[in-house]
Parts: sequence; structure tokens; C-alpha cells
Amino acid sequence: SAVISQKPSRDICQRGTSLTIQCQVDSQVTMMFWYRQQPGQSLTLIATANQGSEATYESGFVIDKFPISRPNLTFSTLTVSNMSPEDSSIYLCSVSGLAGGPTYNEQFFGPGTRLTVL
Amino acid sequence: QQQVKQSPQSLIVQKGGISIINCAYENTAFDYFPWYQQFPGKGPALLIAIRPDVSEKKEGRFTISFNKSAKQFSLHIMDSQPGDSATYFCAASMVRGDKLIFGTGTRLQVFP
Repeated sequence: SAVISQKPSRDICQRGTSLTIQCQVDSQVTMMFWYRQQPGQSLTLIATANQGSEATYESGFVIDKFPISRPNLTFSTLTVSNMSPEDSSIYLCSVSGLAGGPTYNEQFFGPGTRLTVL
Repeated sequence: QQQVKQSPQSLIVQKGGISIINCAYENTAFDYFPWYQQFPGKGPALLIAIRPDVSEKKEGRFTISFNKSAKQFSLHIMDSQPGDSATYFCAASMVRGDKLIFGTGTRLQVFP
């Protein structure tokens, strides 16, 4: 499987500020996704990060609030903008389409970024 | 129609027992059903997955049973161990490797 890292692993931020979360994969992947997991809850897809084009957002999530970049096949960022306490969650990136292996179509998750907004 | 319903919300099992978690879906376009295991402070880890053309898949102590006509699938953990204590999520996607719809999760506790 791919080795996926996220930075930062956790952060405490003030209301009204923005935080950019990085996701780095050790191999080229076709698909990258961003999920949100609120405390004690399930995972909800925010968007699919498309390489070289605008991300595809799920219902309830907008680009102004969660801008996403994906400059190449191994890296993506998610920004949480103008944060409020309701944005306190774990943000997870995931990948699939790992080149050159039997797990090509499996989806693997990073360790997550735990965000607390005061 | 995009939901995946999961039960129970929590489960307590004695060591050596069988843990059973159930999921149901409505959208017949779903074509891939993975299960993920998540420990506190970690990202979900893929455990086992199945497609609708297979009724059962076994990997070690973990088995998925799939009932296509009932639109239900379940995870069975045989000989449950304290190390299996975690939260388990079922999920579904229309295309393997594409975006996932997750169930609500089941917190499993296995006591010695």
C-alpha cells in the first residue's frame, strides 16, 4: 500500500483564520480525496482532488470554504477557510490508483489532521 | 438512496467469540463494498472488500457475507481478540477506487 503523510497532524486555531493541510504520497496515484470526520462520527467526502483542474465538491461543500489544490500525482492540499468551531474535525486524505501493484483499485487513508477551532 | 446503514452502533464481545456487524444499502448502482478498521488517533485501514458477484469472501479471521437480493452485507470476525477492539466502518462505491459512502460505524470492544 502507499505511504501517506499529512501535515500538520493536529492544530488549534482561532476563529476566522485559515489552515492549509498537506497530503503527500510516496508513489504516484490516480485519485486523491479529502474526507471530514467529526468527533465520534463517520467519514464524509468533501471533494475529489483532480490533478491540474478544479476539485469536484460534494453537496454541502464549496470551494470558497474548502479550496483544494493538486499540482501533481503525489501531493494535494486542503484549506479550511474562515474557520468556526463547527469546523473542528479530523480531516483525512485518501488515495487510490496506486501505480504498479495489486492494490491499484483500493483506497488508502492518511493518518488524519485533527483540527480544533476555538 | 446514497446512504449506507450500519448496525449495531456498539458491540461488546468476549474474547474468542464472533463479532457480527451488518450494513444495508439502497442504491443498486453500488458495485464495491469495503470494510475499514479504525483505531483511535489513526486513519481508517482497509480490512477486506467484496463485489456483488461474490456471496462470501474470507481473509483469515475476517469474513464478508453479501446478500445482493436483500442489499445487505455483513462482517464476521471469528475468534475475536482484544486487539480487534476498534471502530469498524462499512462503505460502498459505484466504482472500485472511486469515492466512498461510509456507514455510521460500529465501536467493537473485545474483553479478555
